[in-house]
Amino acid sequence: AQSVSQHNHHVILSEAASLELGCNYSYGGTVNLFWYVQYPGQHLQLLLKYFSGDPLVKGIKGFEAEFIKSKFSFNLRKPSVQWSDTAEYFCAVTFGGSGNTGKLIFGQGTTLQVKP
Amino acid sequence: GAVVSQHPSWVICKSGTSVKIECRSLDFQATTMFWYRQFPKQSLMLMATSNEGSKATYEQGVEKDKFLINHASLTLSTLTVTSAHPEDSSFYICSAKDIRLYGYTFGSGTRLTVV
Repeated sequence: AQSVSQHNHHVILSEAASLELGCNYSYGGTVNLFWYVQYPGQHLQLLLKYFSGDPLVKGIKGFEAEFIKSKFSFNLRKPSVQWSDTAEYFCAVTFGGSGNTGKLIFGQGTTLQVKP
Repeated sequence: GAVVSQHPSWVICKSGTSVKIECRSLDFQATTMFWYRQFPKQSLMLMATSNEGSKATYEQGVEKDKFLINHASLTLSTLTVTSAHPEDSSFYICSAKDIRLYGYTFGSGTRLTVV
């Protein structure tokens, strides 16, 4: 079955530390990949997305992600986190090519806590 | 940019009553919208795909008679929780697919509490 998995459920970092959040999916075909952030009390915001082309994608707020097809992974990275990055992070995937329904399936989410 | 308005942001209702949640795309047409449910500290669980002018497609395990979805226009989808029970208390989020950007814009969510 098609699924999305985030390995880290709760991450605690100090400011200026580097961040990497894992995301894997199970599907052998075409995928579109997304990372969203949800700040406390706010709605989901898109950080970045990958459809095709350069597998290294740069997003907003200094985030980037790399699509590694052979590993079915799309890990999110940031070289130096800030206290304001404290939030919930979700990896999401659409499965299939042009004939798919386009429904977005989410991973379990990772809570990031950055200590000042 | 694309904006999705979800209303109400919170609602408290009595057991046995029905509650309607609206999701509007404000500056684009959305032929497809999605309804999610989010439990505290958990991820978004897709409930159904709402298609303008046709019946919604429900995910496995979601009761279509309890969660009625109507997508009567290109900018409005509604979710009605019928005969609500305390276990229906949750955070409901809608999302609209923006074909211009091939992206998804999310509403701010509705906190439903059934007492």
